[in-house]
Amino acid sequence: NAGVTQTPKFQVLKTGQSMTLQCAQDMNHEYMSWYRQDPGMGLRLIHYSVGAGITDQGEVPNGYNVSRSTTEDFPLRLLSAAPSQTSVYFCASSYRGLSYNEQFFGPGTRLTVL
Amino acid sequence: AQSVTQLDSQVPVFEEAPVELRCNYSSSVSVYLFWYVQYPNQGLQLLLKYLSGSTLVKGINGFEAEFNKSQTSFHLRKPSVHISDTAEYFCAVRYNNNDMRFGAGTRLTVKP
Repeated sequence: NAGVTQTPKFQVLKTGQSMTLQCAQDMNHEYMSWYRQDPGMGLRLIHYSVGAGITDQGEVPNGYNVSRSTTEDFPLRLLSAAPSQTSVYFCASSYRGLSYNEQFFGPGTRLTVL
Repeated sequence: AQSVTQLDSQVPVFEEAPVELRCNYSSSVSVYLFWYVQYPNQGLQLLLKYLSGSTLVKGINGFEAEFNKSQTSFHLRKPSVHISDTAEYFCAVRYNNNDMRFGAGTRLTVKP
């Protein structure tokens, strides 16, 4: 199993540009989520999904969109990038049920918005 | 609002010394508790978790943590650290099925 994969690893955008961060998992996990990591703030939940076709907002959803058309994929879209979105983005997935509380994380995407 | 507080942003310690990384959380309901480790330029890896049962939880790499419900704490300990333990450690609390909050992280630096 590849686990949770994310592409790209690095990205530089100009203010106002849009892009999609890709996330895929091959563990048949129902729950997937996106976090951003900023210095001194830990990880903050952006959006999450409990299954294909179901998404919901987390703690910091503004400026981001998600969709979940398949169990495997959970892309994160930046509609109009802003410097405040400069961050490291992590995708995570987990099973449902009691054991689903363990999340498996991808390697991250480091995004810089100029 | 739910919150997770890691009381130390940086902890320097000498090799083979014991270490404790502190974590407190706000809650009036049952929670699930986690510690994750992040090595440089990598994602997070689960160290240990508390779901129910014994309040002393053992994890990988010799780490353990103790859940204290009355103090709403979940401190991480290791009796003897190695250089390879140098990393950032995150405490996380799941308040319900979909609300997981992370602390700001503690950077552990082990010196020779």
